[in-house]
Amino acid sequence: QSALTQPASVSGSPGQSITISCTGTSSDVGSYNLVSWYQHHPGKAPKLVLYEGSERPSGVSNRFSGSNSGNTASLTISGLQADDEAYYYCCSYAGSNTPWVFGTGTRVTVL
Amino acid sequence: QVLLQESGPGLVKPSQTLSLTCTVSGVSISSGDYYWSWIRQHPEKGLEWIGYIYYSGTTYYNPSLKSRLTISVDTFKSQISLKLSSVTAADTAMYYCARQYSTSYFDYWGQGALVTVSS
Repeated sequence: QSALTQPASVSGSPGQSITISCTGTSSDVGSYNLVSWYQHHPGKAPKLVLYEGSERPSGVSNRFSGSNSGNTASLTISGLQADDEAYYYCCSYAGSNTPWVFGTGTRVTVL
Repeated sequence: QVLLQESGPGLVKPSQTLSLTCTVSGVSISSGDYYWSWIRQHPEKGLEWIGYIYYSGTTYYNPSLKSRLTISVDTFKSQISLKLSSVTAADTAMYYCARQYSTSYFDYWGQGALVTVSS
């Protein structure tokens, strides 16, 4: 099972919106509405920011939103803030063989 | 507050067994709704799901690691353990434990334990 494809880096100015794509296949992203997104500040524990495509866990800012279209999922961060600078990973359920596959990761830089 | 903390040797020799422990606090490891997973990240690369265990001892492993992998649980100590045998340099990675809800998501993670395989 190959990793999901994400852009290596995305940047934006404070207050702007950015979108990170996560492209898989019909065996993972395209088959299940089970894409989750994680924010990772190096040296800290990764943090769940979205699950099942667009659901936010309790305590996560509504500046984080998600969507799915075909084999591609997307994470949008609106009103970009300095603390949003981190790595972001998507993850999708991919069936019984290798159940969970992660994205390649995107470094978000706040200019 | 749910906390997961990985621990174990940071350096393992090739062909030996990598052993890590994840200590869980703030929540019962025996909660029926959750699995307990191990996930790793190779240097400069993405994340790889290793396997999970349910509090009853039921396991599910990544097929690519299954022949070398053992995950176990100690509910009394609130710990999950990982053993990966016959390691090579390709097993050098940051190893994370995480709480997993069904097939959906990993909602709590540890900070990770860096393991280097080298002679």
